[in-house]
Amino acid sequence: QVQLVQSGAEVKKPGASVKVSCKASGYTFPNHGISWVRQAPGQGLEWMGWISASNGDTNFAQKFQGRVTLTTDTSTSTVYMELRSLKSDDTAIYYCARDRVRHEDNDYWGQGTRVTVSS
Amino acid sequence: QSVLTQPPSVSGAPGQGVTIACTGSSSNIGAGYNVHWYQQFPGTAPKLLIFENTNRPSGVPDRFSGSKSGTSASLAISGLQAEDEADYYCHSYDGSLGEPVFGGGTKLTVL
Repeated sequence: QVQLVQSGAEVKKPGASVKVSCKASGYTFPNHGISWVRQAPGQGLEWMGWISASNGDTNFAQKFQGRVTLTTDTSTSTVYMELRSLKSDDTAIYYCARDRVRHEDNDYWGQGTRVTVSS
Repeated sequence: QSVLTQPPSVSGAPGQGVTIACTGSSSNIGAGYNVHWYQQFPGTAPKLLIFENTNRPSGVPDRFSGSKSGTSASLAISGLQAEDEADYYCHSYDGSLGEPVFGGGTKLTVL
């Protein structure tokens, strides 16, 4: 069965960076891109960016351009999301989600990684 | 302020039906981009409920249905059950922004 398993919770100070992993299994990894979506406490879903698992192409929300990097390791079917220059309002749960079709629906989601930014 | 607008909350009694609206514009839903819906329980990841406007993934009860017209889409839930109490989000693509967008979410309360 398709699974996306994310790395554990992180606590960071303002100005630091965080790197979250998302390990995919149960399907042919290069066949589906991975999107990252975050959810601040008590808030809605916010799309951050997307990476192709076949060639590494990326696309980012304007809000996160220049502050987020997405990479893949095809040998381990893992996608990484790095967010830099953290601020307190980056405190959120970060989800990876498989794109069934690029920029269409996300049919499988990771369990989420809580990132807390606090001095 | 979300690009797609949803009512913050809706409610209904068990057995009744409710509809959740998702209002967009000519750059997203009105431009012909598909709308998808997700169900999210507290403390868990979203789950795909409807994809490409009207389609249900395997395992989603047929009490859930989606529709789209003009610059809006709707999620209808019939025969409400207590376990339907959750947050619901619509999702589409915005051609002007060049990125996927979500609605602000709607909290469904089963009375």
